[in-house]
Amino acid sequence: SQTIHQWPATLVQPVGSPLSLECTVEGTSNPNLYWYRQAAGRGLQLLFYSVGIGQISSEVPQNLSASRPQDRQFILSSKKLLLSDSGFYLCAWSAGDGYTFGSGTRLTVV
Amino acid sequence: TQLLEQSPQFLSIQEGENLTVYCNSSSVFSSLQWYRQEPGEGPVLLVTVVTGGEVKKLKRLTFQFGDARKDSSLHITAAQPGDTGLYLCAVGRSGTYKYIFGTGTRLKVLA
Repeated sequence: SQTIHQWPATLVQPVGSPLSLECTVEGTSNPNLYWYRQAAGRGLQLLFYSVGIGQISSEVPQNLSASRPQDRQFILSSKKLLLSDSGFYLCAWSAGDGYTFGSGTRLTVV
Repeated sequence: TQLLEQSPQFLSIQEGENLTVYCNSSSVFSSLQWYRQEPGEGPVLLVTVVTGGEVKKLKRLTFQFGDARKDSSLHITAAQPGDTGLYLCAVGRSGTYKYIFGTGTRLKVLA
């Protein structure tokens, strides 16, 4: 069965510090991978998606970047965090019929 | 402009009551999904509806896709505290690998 792992679960970072969130998928190959951000427990905003190794599409201009160094690994990064980067970050994969989400990372920038 | 509007935004009811939440759009979709998200967790897929007028049941939850495939409803019978959470609808964007989420309905069922 397919599983998705996302870590860390919570993170408190100072403004201006770097960020690296990692997501890995098991039990499937060549998945479509996604990073979403959720503010204030409401709807999800798509940040990045990837349909293959090294292929990254960005949805909104922002202070973040994404990379896919391996087929089942998706990384969300920032060189310098802003206060506005705080939120709940979710990784997901899809085989074409809905998403399977990770358990999320609560990021607080202080 | 939000592609998918969900209503109500918030709903607080007593255990045992029935409720319906809605997901509306002016666009036509080939399919629509419903997710439930509990605090501190990722959303979990509940159901996918693909045919206009389709009705799917998942225990006490009944999902309906509008005849014109522009809207959907989720009806919960005899709500329980375990139904508490954020309910999200989502649709795939034609020709892409992306799904767009609605604004969400936050449900709280009081014991």
